[in-house]
Amino acid sequence: DAGVIQSPRHEVTEMGQEVTLRCKPISGHNSLFWYRQTMMRGLELLIYFNNNVPIDDSGMPEDRFSAKMPNASFSTLKIQPSEPRDSAVYFCASSPGRSQETQYFGPGTRLLVL
Amino acid sequence: AQKVTQAQTEISVVEKEDVTLDCVYETRDTTYYLFWYKQPPSGELVFLIRRNSFDEQNEISGRYSWNFQKSTSSFNFTITASQVVDSAVYFCALSEVGTNAGKSTFGDGTTLTVKP
Repeated sequence: DAGVIQSPRHEVTEMGQEVTLRCKPISGHNSLFWYRQTMMRGLELLIYFNNNVPIDDSGMPEDRFSAKMPNASFSTLKIQPSEPRDSAVYFCASSPGRSQETQYFGPGTRLLVL
Repeated sequence: AQKVTQAQTEISVVEKEDVTLDCVYETRDTTYYLFWYKQPPSGELVFLIRRNSFDEQNEISGRYSWNFQKSTSSFNFTITASQVVDSAVYFCALSEVGTNAGKSTFGDGTTLTVKP
């Protein structure tokens, strides 16, 4: 079975550019999570969806960040405009249900904003 | 608010030694879930175990074992006879049930280095 798929795996961009990260959750999973990992702040939950609906976006750092889940098999995390401090590894995870279910992580997208 | 503390930032052991990674959590909920994840140098996050708050039985899986004690709010992870391949960052996480359902809080991780 395919796990969580993220693309691109690596992204290098210049400050001010728009960045779009993509995620395909495991088929049949109802919840999807976006995390950011940095050395300084560790692993932070940015936003999570249940049945394609955003449940909690309190972790989204600022208005430059937005996330969508147009259907059960696809989600995007967009940064516009990007800044060097956005450089991090962004993980997408999915789980079968809403609460206590185990989250399965994608391989991550390594973003570098110059 | 929930909180997960992994006090050990880095641990270094020699192969075949046993090592215990500590995890202490805080939550006001009576129902919650605890997890351990492994992040090897390749970067992916790998699920290791999930334990609910009503199940205090210790669990053993091969060289891995977990000790859950509600009285001390701890969920410690022991690797027996460590191997070089165990070198990774290990994260403990807490997930609440209820209004914050689905939201997991991760500890800062413990970097384990196993030397040959």
